[in-house]
Amino acid sequence: EAQVTQNPRYLITVTGKKLTVTCSQNMNHEYMSWYRQDPGLGLRQIYYSMNVEVTDKGDVPEGYKVSRKEKRNFPLILESPSPNQTSLYFCASKLVRETYSTDTQYFGPGTRLTVL
Amino acid sequence: QKEVEQNSGPLSVPEGAIASLNCTYSDRGSQSFFWYRQYSGKSPELIMFIYSNGDKEDGRFTAQLNKASQYVSLLIRDSQPSDSATYLCAVYSGGGADGLTFGKGTHLIIQP
Repeated sequence: EAQVTQNPRYLITVTGKKLTVTCSQNMNHEYMSWYRQDPGLGLRQIYYSMNVEVTDKGDVPEGYKVSRKEKRNFPLILESPSPNQTSLYFCASKLVRETYSTDTQYFGPGTRLTVL
Repeated sequence: QKEVEQNSGPLSVPEGAIASLNCTYSDRGSQSFFWYRQYSGKSPELIMFIYSNGDKEDGRFTAQLNKASQYVSLLIRDSQPSDSATYLCAVYSGGGADGLTFGKGTHLIIQP
């Protein structure tokens, strides 16, 4: 089954304690992305990756790191989490074409993070 | 800065009626347009996409695109209570460098 998986699904942590949220896709997609979703603010892109070892900042990258060592995995790292990073996080992936794209962006199930 | 605007709602529609959801976008070079449905606490799921001016129908859903007016809409016919959700409009502007720009979503409530 084609899917994007995220772990953990729920996480409560404390300020300053480093954490990693994993994301994996089994569709051989080049493009992967992380979003956070907050009430009234919608989905905002944190980081994206066009392929292995190629990552770039989205709209709200501060306080986050990512890596893309393998095509299927795109972990999100919070080196020193703060309460304003409490949010619902989604990983997504899709194919990349040169011309305009109607390729579906597939979303993972989400990770609800609470930073105390 | 690319912007996608949606009325946040809630939009309340009687069961069986047509629900009309609207979206405007700022980037005139935008190439393809997507409608996602998101239930509370769940991930967005794609309903349909459109990239040519005009209408595109898929079952009870019709997407309408007017590039001159930078406007895209989603019509849901014979609305059902299960259609109650937040609907996200997303726009792809090409170049391959990044993904979709999302609107904040319209909360739709179908009243039984």
